[in-house]
Amino acid sequence: DAGVIQSPRHEVTEMGQEVTLRCKPISGHNSLFWYRQTMMRGLELLIYFNNNVPIDDSGMPEDRFSAKMPNASFSTLKIQPSEPRDSAVYFCASSLRGEETQYFGPGTRLLVL
Amino acid sequence: AQKITQTQPGMFVQEKEAVTLDCTYDTSDQSYGLFWYKQPSSGEMIFLIYQGSYDEQNATEGRYSLNFQKARKSANLVISASQLGDSAMYFCAMRGTGTDSWGKLQFGAGTQVVVTP
Repeated sequence: DAGVIQSPRHEVTEMGQEVTLRCKPISGHNSLFWYRQTMMRGLELLIYFNNNVPIDDSGMPEDRFSAKMPNASFSTLKIQPSEPRDSAVYFCASSLRGEETQYFGPGTRLLVL
Repeated sequence: AQKITQTQPGMFVQEKEAVTLDCTYDTSDQSYGLFWYKQPSSGEMIFLIYQGSYDEQNATEGRYSLNFQKARKSANLVISASQLGDSAMYFCAMRGTGTDSWGKLQFGAGTQVVVTP
């Protein structure tokens, strides 16, 4: 079975531009998580969804960040406008509610110049 | 609030030897899960092993075992017979079941392991 799929794998953009990161969870999984990894802050949860509904977005840094999950097989994380401090690796993970393990995608490495 | 502490920033281990990675945690949840993930230099996060707080047996997955000591709030990862491919960053993580902690994986800072021939 395919794992979690993320695109793009790498993104380089200029400050002020809109960035959209995409995620396809493992088929059948009904929980989806967005994480950000930086050297300074490590791995931190941004937001997570259960059955396409956002449950906790307390980790979203500010209003420039937004996430959607229009259906069970697709989610986006959008940054508008982007800033250099948003440079990080963004991971999407999915799990089956009731099971503990979260499976991570390969990540999107974002560089904002 | 939950907290995960990994006190070993890095360590070297010789091939074929065993290595223990330390992890301590703090939580007020009665039920929780503990995880270890591996992140090689290529960047992906690979799930290794899981231990539930009510599991009486220590979890094992191949060469990985989790030394769970609930009273001491520790969940150390033991890698037996190290291989060169084990060189990576290893993260300990916890997932609680409380209102504020459910669904959230709280990660430690990680331990960099380098396996030498």
